[in-house]
Amino acid sequence: QQQVKQSPQSLIVQKGGISIINCAYENTAFDYFPWYQQFPGKGPALLIAIRPDVSEKKEGRFTISFNKSAKQFSLHIMDSQPGDSATYFCAATPPGTDKLIFGTGTRLQVFP
Amino acid sequence: DTAVSQTPKYLVTQMGNDKSIKCEQNLGHDTMYWYKQDSKKFLKIMFSYNNKELIINETVPNRFSPKSPDKAHLNLHINSLELGDSAVYFCASSLQGLIGNEQFFGPGTRLTVL
Repeated sequence: QQQVKQSPQSLIVQKGGISIINCAYENTAFDYFPWYQQFPGKGPALLIAIRPDVSEKKEGRFTISFNKSAKQFSLHIMDSQPGDSATYFCAATPPGTDKLIFGTGTRLQVFP
Repeated sequence: DTAVSQTPKYLVTQMGNDKSIKCEQNLGHDTMYWYKQDSKKFLKIMFSYNNKELIINETVPNRFSPKSPDKAHLNLHINSLELGDSAVYFCASSLQGLIGNEQFFGPGTRLTVL
């Protein structure tokens, strides 16, 4: 119930393509869903986040799509660039806490 | 103007030793965290402190003891190190520890136990 499942484990995309990373959760009480981006040798950094009362959030080339009934959410990176190459983590927060439960991560490689 | 800093960046030690990792944030946040990232990149929270008070303790072995001398610092002391403790440890901080508040991560400390 406390898990967040993430797929794929790795993703290779051509420059200019769309990168899509999916996450699924079991606990319907989760109420905050952020995505973190981690470059090699660095700590994770918040990329974009969504709450379950909206179905989509867009910030620049990054969009979260949220499907509450399916208990799934996904990150879409439009016009993917080599600089987007990093590991992406979805996460979820149980109610009443600020604890982040992370997915297993997706290593994205964008080739020119 | 580093936001969340950790020392040391690398730590190599023998099994059975005791070691500490230090964390400091200059963001004025009052909640700090320790996370462990294993060799498969899996990130898991270990502890959180709010204004020097322990809030989250995720069934971490007693060999791990966080200490918060003030709200800008959260250190991690590990006794009797084991091979399985090898990982990257990240400190993070957030404002008030509220849901939806961004957590800012440090650069990590890579611990290798031989």
